[in-house]
Amino acid sequence: ETGVTQSPTHLIKTRGQQVTLRCSSQSGHNTVSWYQQALGQGPQFIFQYYREEENGRGNFPPRFSGLQFPNYSSELNVNALELDDSALYLCASSSGTPGTDTQYFGPGTRLTVL
Amino acid sequence: QQQVKQSPQSLIVQKGGISIINCAYENTAFDYFPWYQQFPGKGPALLIAIRPDVSEKKEGRFTISFNKSAKQFSLHIMDSQPGDSATYFCAASDSNTGNQFYFGTGTSLTVIP
Repeated sequence: ETGVTQSPTHLIKTRGQQVTLRCSSQSGHNTVSWYQQALGQGPQFIFQYYREEENGRGNFPPRFSGLQFPNYSSELNVNALELDDSALYLCASSSGTPGTDTQYFGPGTRLTVL
Repeated sequence: QQQVKQSPQSLIVQKGGISIINCAYENTAFDYFPWYQQFPGKGPALLIAIRPDVSEKKEGRFTISFNKSAKQFSLHIMDSQPGDSATYFCAASDSNTGNQFYFGTGTSLTVIP
């Protein structure tokens, strides 16, 4: 069984640029959730994708967008980067079956915005 | 508004001691309460989870105690070891509206040899 993988591991961008982060979900999982974890804080929910459709969104502006592909892998896109976007971005996958809520996290992508 | 409140922010325990981390929530629709362990530079890893139909769940040295009426739950780590030194997050979700997890702010645990 393959776990959740994310790429790249680290990324440095400048303010105003755009970034794409990638996530491969755990085998058999059809739901992917993205979280932002600022230094010293708990993860904050950005949005979730279930079977290629957005299925819930947290309190993040529209410049945070995403995609899920037919193989259930996912992308997180952030436009017009701001300094406060510097954080660890986590992807979590789950089976999406009602009552089976366990989310399995990847190692994250550390984004630094200068 | 913080949906899940976690305390303490940091905890220092002697090896062999008991570590206790507490969380409280307001939303009575929450029906799944996991605890995650996170080491520096890594993603959170599921430690143990509980649903509100039971008051306690034990897995090895880790126990969750759940008090539905008080809307509180806690993690107990028995016989704490230096390898347990990590940041611990509680979380809560409402399975009826999706799998969005609301995380606490984390507890940094240090176990002294």
